[in-house]
Amino acid sequence: NAGVTQTPKFQVLKTGQSMTLQCAQDMNHEYMSWYRQDPGMGLRLIHYSVGAGITDQGEVPNGYNVSRSTTEDFPLRLLSAAPSQTSVYFCASSYSWGETQYFGPGTRLLVL
Amino acid sequence: AQKVTQAQTEISVVEKEDVTLDCVYETRDTTYYLFWYKQPPSGELVFLIRRNSFDEQNEISGRYSWNFQKSTSSFNFTITASQVVDSAVYFCALSETGGGATNKLIFGTGTLLAVQP
Repeated sequence: NAGVTQTPKFQVLKTGQSMTLQCAQDMNHEYMSWYRQDPGMGLRLIHYSVGAGITDQGEVPNGYNVSRSTTEDFPLRLLSAAPSQTSVYFCASSYSWGETQYFGPGTRLLVL
Repeated sequence: AQKVTQAQTEISVVEKEDVTLDCVYETRDTTYYLFWYKQPPSGELVFLIRRNSFDEQNEISGRYSWNFQKSTSSFNFTITASQVVDSAVYFCALSETGGGATNKLIFGTGTLLAVQP
C-alpha cells in the first residue's frame, strides 16, 4: 500500500512551458485534492475532485487544469508556467468529506 | 467566511519544556472537522489528529494533547516535555461539510516550532 504518490519530486521549468504533475493513490479514496504551499501562506487549495469525472475549483485555480478519469489518478496540468507558480505542490486524498486527507510527498516546482 | 488563524509564527523552546500551539477558527457551519498536521524539515505532511465539531472532549496521545473549545472557536495543541524531534511546522486546518460535495481544507499559516537541546 503506497498511499499517495507524486511525480516528479522536483522540476525546473521555463516561463511558458507546460507540464503535468502526477498524483496517484491506491487507497480507493473518492476525494482527491491539489494544494500549493508558499512561504508564510500555509497550503491553499487549487482544485479538488469528489469522484471520477467530477472536479471543481479551489481557492487558487487560475493557470491550472485537472481531470479525473479514474479513481486512482488526479493529474494537475500547468498550461503555461509562470514564475508565480513556483511553489511546492501537494496532492491529497481521503475516503469522503470530513475524513482525514492523506498527503503525498510533494513536488517542488521552480519556474524561471 | 471560513478562516483559520495561527497567530504564533515561530516558537522556540528548550528541550523538556511544555509548549502550546494556538489555533482559532471561523466557520458558519454547525458540522465541521478540525485537524492538526506536522511538517518536519523533510517536508512531508504528517496527520496528527482529527476532531469533529460535536466532540469537545480533550484528547491525549502520549506527549501530545489537544484542547477543543467551541465557545472560543479554538483547537489548541500542547506538547509536553518537548523533544528535538518535535521541531517542525505545525498546521491547523478546518474542513466544512459543504453538503458532502466538497472536501476543502482551510489551513492556517503554520507555527514553526524549534526545540533546542
